[in-house]
Amino acid sequence: GAVVSQHPSRVICKSGTSVKIECRSLDFQATTMFWYRQFPKKSLMLMATSNEGSKATYEQGVEKDKFLINHASLTLSTLTVTSAHPEDSSFYICSAVVGAYNEQFFGPGTRLTVL
Amino acid sequence: GQQLNQSPQSMFIQEGEDVSMNCTSSSIFNTWLWYKQDPGEGPVLLIALYKAGELTSNGRLTAQFGITRKDSFLNISASIPSDVGIYFCAGQRRGGTSYGKLTFGQGTILTVHP
Repeated sequence: GAVVSQHPSRVICKSGTSVKIECRSLDFQATTMFWYRQFPKKSLMLMATSNEGSKATYEQGVEKDKFLINHASLTLSTLTVTSAHPEDSSFYICSAVVGAYNEQFFGPGTRLTVL
Repeated sequence: GQQLNQSPQSMFIQEGEDVSMNCTSSSIFNTWLWYKQDPGEGPVLLIALYKAGELTSNGRLTAQFGITRKDSFLNISASIPSDVGIYFCAGQRRGGTSYGKLTFGQGTILTVHP
């Protein structure tokens, strides 16, 4: 149980285009999901909290118009990187919260490369 | 944002050796977690600790929740090549605006030589 998937696993896009990343909880419902960004050999940096049916809560310094989050159902949250630039290239990971102790289970990540 | 102080940053050990890593914080957490991340993958939960002083094992892994609630350690006994990866500690609080959020350590890169 507690499996989280992400799609796509890798994406390469041209500068100026938008990219959508999906995060799904496969065998449970998740009211809350989180989105992280990770640079090589660095720790995970929390970008935003995605709440089903309400607006996402962004961490300080994260542009909400740049990183659009939609949590339209209890099993799906999407992160759209708008007008992507090379500096947006990174590993993006989502997690979903489950259980009485709010355990977070992570997706396998999405490698975004912006040319 | 706040990060936990995790050490060591990296370790190079021989297969069969024991490993120890720890995390400290200036503030208390209600839950401590340890994750392992393989290259190009998401973190996988190894051990979760919910009570101060709790000592929990998962196979060759043992972790403890510090009595002050500001620290935790992870031990790996008799390391094997597949233990290679990055290990992260994470603290979690209950209640308030940070409810459910994780604060991560910087990670410990473990290399195991056969």
